[in-house]
Amino acid sequence: GNSVTQMEGPVTLSEEAFLTINCTYTATGYPSLFWYVQYPGEGLQLLLKATKADDKGSNKGFEATYRKETTSFHLEKGSVQVSDSAVYFCALSDRYSSASKIIFGSGTRLSIRP
Amino acid sequence: DTAVSQTPKYLVTQMGNDKSIKCEQNLGHDTMYWYKQDSKKFLKIMFSYNNKELIINETVPNRFSPKSPDKAHLNLHINSLELGDSAVYFCASSSDRVEAEAFFGQGTRLTVV
Repeated sequence: GNSVTQMEGPVTLSEEAFLTINCTYTATGYPSLFWYVQYPGEGLQLLLKATKADDKGSNKGFEATYRKETTSFHLEKGSVQVSDSAVYFCALSDRYSSASKIIFGSGTRLSIRP
Repeated sequence: DTAVSQTPKYLVTQMGNDKSIKCEQNLGHDTMYWYKQDSKKFLKIMFSYNNKELIINETVPNRFSPKSPDKAHLNLHINSLELGDSAVYFCASSSDRVEAEAFFGQGTRLTVV
């Protein structure tokens, strides 16, 4: 079945460091790919998405490129801030019957030191 | 103007009780979901409804029974609560397009004592 694998955390970085969170997927169809962020005590928010191969999603300085050849969707940011501390989830959406099924990776906790 | 709202936000109850969590979305979406997030933050889909019809049931115990009175509401009723049911439950909704993202509620933290 479809699945998402992302790097385990926690990841701790200093402010202004470069961030990469790896994500790979397994899917039989042509899924859409997402990164969601969960701040402490809150629900999940969409951070960015890409719907087809070679698409790049971007938002708030974060980027991820849909790589079909390597089945990857790694999240990157050039200079992280303390406010980026959160849990990040990679996810995919594939068609299932008359609805979409969104499957999440296990989440990566990111902590940024001032 | 909350897009997906669920109540209550916190729920503490004793083992063996029956409880319900309500969810409503005002986005006009046709698909709604329930997810369970455990203490390690792992998110697992429980149910998906499309236009009030059950589409996905991910091997969830029969004690969990979703109810969708209309496509804007998807409630979750849990019978005979167990300690292992303690978790954060998230409601979400999305449109039918496969590329559509899901919009999440704020979560309900259920604690069974």
